[in-house]
Amino acid sequence: QVQLQESGPGPVKPSETLSLTCTVSGGSISSYFWSWIRQPPGKGLEWIGYIYYTGTTYYNPSLKSRVTISGDTSKNQFSLHLSSVTAADTAVYYCARFPGGNWGYYYLDVWGKGTTVTVSS
Amino acid sequence: QSALTQPASVSGSPEQSITISCTGTDSDIGAYNYVSWYQQHPGKAPKIIVYDVSNRPSGVSNRFSGSKSGNTASLTISGLQAEDEADYYCTSYTTSSTLVFGGGTKLTVL
Repeated sequence: QVQLQESGPGPVKPSETLSLTCTVSGGSISSYFWSWIRQPPGKGLEWIGYIYYTGTTYYNPSLKSRVTISGDTSKNQFSLHLSSVTAADTAVYYCARFPGGNWGYYYLDVWGKGTTVTVSS
Repeated sequence: QSALTQPASVSGSPEQSITISCTGTDSDIGAYNYVSWYQQHPGKAPKIIVYDVSNRPSGVSNRFSGSKSGNTASLTISGLQAEDEADYYCTSYTTSSTLVFGGGTKLTVL
């Protein structure tokens, strides 16, 4: 059974870059899209973007100028980089699998447990 | 892209039925039958409960059902149970090949 685990360095200072990695176990990252979603404290879910295993990326237009999602098929991992962070980027960050057109399933079917990132000086 | 519109909260008594609406545009809900719904309990990751407007993944109770008309999708929960108290989010695939979430609805079981 596929499992996802988010990891990151911990608190981030304003104006710095937030970097997180999602490790996929129990299956290959090939043939799927891999997504990042976040949830600020007490607020709703926000889709950040996803990457296809070939490297093609799609981003939320509201975050596109600051977001980069990359993948490493050799490590079965994908990563999120969010630049110029502010307190508004404080959130629980989730990674999730999105099967997409190859599989005919257009929903996020497997989720990580999430990791809390705090932006503070 | 703008977030899909959901009511902030709904409530119902045990055994009753409730419906949560999710309104989008011609570029998301109205474009495809790729609307999904997620249930999220406090401190937990979201869980898929309905996909492709009205399909349920294996293991999800048939008390959860979905529908769509035009640019509005709906989630109905019948026979409300205490364990259904949670936040519910709709999502749609868009014509830009992106995803968009609704703002979320808090369900209270009275």
